[in-house]
Amino acid sequence: SQQGEEDPQALSIQEGENATMNCSYKTSINNLQWYRQNSGRGLVHLILIRSNEREKHSGRLRVTLDTSKKSSSLLITASRAADTASYFCATGKAAGNKLTFGGGTRVLVKP
Amino acid sequence: GAGVSQSPSNKVTEKGKDVELRCDPISGHTALYWYRQSLGQGLEFLIYFQGNSAPDKSGLPSDRFSAERTGGSVSTLTIQRTQQEDSAVYLCASSPRDRSTGELFFGEGSRLTVL
Repeated sequence: SQQGEEDPQALSIQEGENATMNCSYKTSINNLQWYRQNSGRGLVHLILIRSNEREKHSGRLRVTLDTSKKSSSLLITASRAADTASYFCATGKAAGNKLTFGGGTRVLVKP
Repeated sequence: GAGVSQSPSNKVTEKGKDVELRCDPISGHTALYWYRQSLGQGLEFLIYFQGNSAPDKSGLPSDRFSAERTGGSVSTLTIQRTQQEDSAVYLCASSPRDRSTGELFFGEGSRLTVL
């Protein structure tokens, strides 16, 4: 099974609203990353949070990490139609050399 | 080039044929990864290169799949005797780091359809 599992699988909101999605994982990690994928395109890195960090901001993005619950959340504030995409969390282990991706959350922002 | 380049962008083949997918990483990136993404699904790890060696090929689904990297740069993923279940988008990514501690830079992918 996937190391990271996103919830919900799909999300539909109106432009201007906030979008929140969650990621749970099973084993200890070195860092957790969020990526965006527009339809038919490759993945684009959004933000990385390390295991010793609890919250990180980048523009309209806010990421939290709770290592005790093995979970992370991604908040997109004041969403725009251009935010319509799939969002994936990915975890990296301290002794590993690859990122393990979850199944993704499909976000639709309606204008 | 400025980014990770993959070719072909689309490949349609008949069951039983061999295919080669190419990845040209960002110049200077030592780590290179291949992932597979089935329709509407997440990414499935296939293989990781550090330089020309592949310390982790645990994700290759069967012995029909192989990959190589030459000159610490271009990588080729080869699928022999393709099956319909091989249909997917094959994504390549590179990273300047040799461990899973930094971001990956992805190409646009090669969409493979096996008829």
